[in-house]
Amino acid sequence: NAGVMQNPRHLVRRRGQEARLRCSPMKGHSHVYWYRQLPEEGLKFMVYLQKENIIDESGMPKERFSAEFPKEGPSILRIQQVVRGDSAAYFCASSPSLAGAGYNEQFFGPGTRLTVL
Amino acid sequence: AQTVTQSQPEMSVQEAETVTLSCTYDTSESDYYLFWYKQPPSRQMILVIRQEAYKQQNATENRFSVNFQKAAKSFSLKISDSQLGDAAMYFCAYTGANSKLTFGKGITLSVRP
Repeated sequence: NAGVMQNPRHLVRRRGQEARLRCSPMKGHSHVYWYRQLPEEGLKFMVYLQKENIIDESGMPKERFSAEFPKEGPSILRIQQVVRGDSAAYFCASSPSLAGAGYNEQFFGPGTRLTVL
Repeated sequence: AQTVTQSQPEMSVQEAETVTLSCTYDTSESDYYLFWYKQPPSRQMILVIRQEAYKQQNATENRFSVNFQKAAKSFSLKISDSQLGDAAMYFCAYTGANSKLTFGKGITLSVRP
């Protein structure tokens, strides 16, 4: 059973370009989370999605950032008009469907390292 | 809002010795989970150990154990018989009803041979 896959692993963009980060959850997982890790910092929650729905986007910057998780295909984190401050590692995690109360473990992908020149 | 604090930026331990990494958190929730994650240079996030708040017994996983003090909102990780492969960043994390993980800033652990 393949783990969470993210691509590309490394992405270089110039200021003003668009960045698209992809996340394929583990098989059978319908919940996806995106986190951002700035240099020397812990991971910070950005957005939580289920198939075709955004559940919680409280950690997303108000402008330039968007996320989707379509019925078919990977989840996409899109950053428009990138700036140097967007340089970070972006991690995706997935979990299975929530079944009542309790915790479903989040399984992390290897991350995408975005560098903005 | 929940917060997780790791006040030690780095620690060092001699191989085969024991080290304790500290973490405190703040929450108004009564039902939650706490975690320690390891991030080696590859940057892959690896779950080390998990503690459920309603369980009084401290979690253990082989050489890793926690000291969970719910009233004090403290959650420290003890690594016994430290190995060179334990060198990494370690993050304390919290999750409650909203499912998202809240991480501390992390601590860099180095292991001296």
